[in-house]
Amino acid sequence: EMQLVESGGGLVQPGGSLRLSCATSGFIFSSFALSWVRQAPGKGLEWVSGISGLDDSTYYTDSVRGRFTISRDNAKKAFFLQMNSLRAEDSAVYFCAKHAGHSTLSRFDPCGQGTLVTVSS
Amino acid sequence: EVVLTQSPGTLSLSPGESATLSCRASQSVDSPYLAWYQQKAGQAPRLLIYATSYRATGVPDRFRGSGSGTDFTLTISGLEPEDFAVYYCHQYRTSPLTFGGGTKVEIK
Repeated sequence: EMQLVESGGGLVQPGGSLRLSCATSGFIFSSFALSWVRQAPGKGLEWVSGISGLDDSTYYTDSVRGRFTISRDNAKKAFFLQMNSLRAEDSAVYFCAKHAGHSTLSRFDPCGQGTLVTVSS
Repeated sequence: EVVLTQSPGTLSLSPGESATLSCRASQSVDSPYLAWYQQKAGQAPRLLIYATSYRATGVPDRFRGSGSGTDFTLTISGLEPEDFAVYYCHQYRTSPLTFGGGTKVEIK
């Protein structure tokens, strides 16, 4: 059974940093693209960032480009989201997700249960 | 960016009734790249339909996806109590990947 488990969320002040982690099991980690998707309280889903399973190419939504960095560690079967210069509008539940193929242009399945990030003074 | 607009925002229905959810894209989306997700309160999104009309593993056949181009539909035939949730369409043809705003299916 495929599993993804997020960690690293919490309360941080505006301008601060957090590093989210996603531990995985149950699939050949190095072969698949991975992404982070977020959901602000009471709002819909928003794709944040993805990383290829083929060549480690990275992709970002415009609002986080230059502030967030996605990375992966194939040996540890984990991937990460380094979030810097955090803003109140980054407050959300962050889900990690596995894509169905090596490209981020493939469906998500499955997602983890999410970790809450709150940016507030 | 491909903008996905879902309608209606909320559907109030009784168990046993059928639900028709719409997703309209701001530009054409190739059929292999359109999915539907179900999300219940406090839970992660769950993949229901991918490539417009293919049911994910374990998804009951009362869920049916259809459509092409810019207009896509999720139909739920005979709502069961566990189907009351929020449903999102999602396109993965073009980066940034985008989701619709969601349709809440609530008990009438």
